[in-house]
Amino acid sequence: DSQMTQSPSSVSASVGDRVTITCRASQDISSWLAWYQQKPGKAPKLLIYGASILQSGVPSRFSGSGSGTDFTLTISSLQPEDFATYYCQQANIFPFTFGPGTKVDIK
Amino acid sequence: QVRLQESGPGLVKPSETLSLTCTVSGDSISSYYWSWIRQPPGKGLEWIGYIYNSGSTSYNPSLKSRVTISVDTSKNQFSLKLTSVTAADTAVYYCARDPGSEFDFWGQGYLVTVSS
Repeated sequence: DSQMTQSPSSVSASVGDRVTITCRASQDISSWLAWYQQKPGKAPKLLIYGASILQSGVPSRFSGSGSGTDFTLTISSLQPEDFATYYCQQANIFPFTFGPGTKVDIK
Repeated sequence: QVRLQESGPGLVKPSETLSLTCTVSGDSISSYYWSWIRQPPGKGLEWIGYIYNSGSTSYNPSLKSRVTISVDTSKNQFSLKLTSVTAADTAVYYCARDPGSEFDFWGQGYLVTVSS
């Protein structure tokens, strides 16, 4: 298995802030990394795949980078609708695995 | 627009079999991979397994001995069976489409509680 870790586990931020979340894989996963946003009681929503490719319809304030074992998700200017939990997911090594999540809440 | 909808019993007794169905609309189930993912209350996401149109499957080794995923192309549905359930299998179960490496469309989720 490729274990996924995320940091921080939670972050408090204000509207307009730049927020960066880090995801680390225990093995080289190349660029097989996706990011999801989940709000309470809802299914996860795909934001980014291939480490840096923005899913259709996702605002451009979201961006992803990295390859190998270290990845980041950046929200350039936090909006009220962005307060949620964010998960990374690797798809290079079976079984597919998710990070533990990073909760972004209001400061 | 692709839509997925989970259905099945919301309450299962310990040691029995959990059975869920995912109905897909707006896309043919003969394309892509189709996965089941679960999330225990207040916890993170766990990939259970997927099926491809030919019936090829891949399962998470942590559940492999208890899981079966099958497809009914005539109904555009795929299904999950999980045997010998315990309280640890209580979770929201999601079905999702996988175009290759990520999950781009998800069902709304279905809470299954394991309790006597």
